[in-house]
Amino acid sequence: AQTVTQSQPEMSVQEAETVTLSCTYDTSESDYYLFWYKQPPSRQMILVIRQEAYKQQNATENRFSVNFQKAAKSFSLKISDSQLGDAAMYFCAYRLYSGTYKYIFGTGTRLKVLA
Amino acid sequence: GAGVSQSPRYKVAKRGQDVALRCDPISGHVSLFWYQQALGQGPEFLTYFQNEAQLDKSGLPSDRFFAERPEGSVSTLKIQRTQQEDSAVYLCASSGYQTVNTGELFFGEGSRLTVL
Repeated sequence: AQTVTQSQPEMSVQEAETVTLSCTYDTSESDYYLFWYKQPPSRQMILVIRQEAYKQQNATENRFSVNFQKAAKSFSLKISDSQLGDAAMYFCAYRLYSGTYKYIFGTGTRLKVLA
Repeated sequence: GAGVSQSPRYKVAKRGQDVALRCDPISGHVSLFWYQQALGQGPEFLTYFQNEAQLDKSGLPSDRFFAERPEGSVSTLKIQRTQQEDSAVYLCASSGYQTVNTGELFFGEGSRLTVL
């Protein structure tokens, strides 16, 4: 069975600094997606960034980038130039590329941004 | 609509009562998901619909949980004879033809259920 593990329950970063959130996963499949979702206090989750497992190039979306290590089954999120609006719960998630649309989420990392 | 809408936002039920939670997905979205999020935890998959067909209900924790989407749009999650362990936020998410293949889910704000 696939699992997603986030070992950092909480992280803090100074405004304008860089922070990295960790995620590891376990799967025997070769084709899948990985995602980072952000859940602000209002609870509406939004997609931050996604990565297809077959792509070697790490995904980047503005200040957000990932470090995808397929062999190590690691998928970390780097937030550069942190802003107060980045404060939220961040969830790492996994989904098979096809066959099932079940998303498996980690337990989340709460990010605090300090002014 | 502009986004995924869930109602009620908050529900308090006495143990043993039945509850119904409603989800209005984004117009035209064929895929609809229900997740259960306990306090301090990540969302746990409950069930998935493609149009009106319930393709995966493997996450429903017991036969007290039932979900339907009769016309392929609005969905209702029903919990019968609620128990205290059912207390959680129930999240609904939808996805369109293109976005289901790119993996992006659009979430509602959730329905927080408290069972006393």
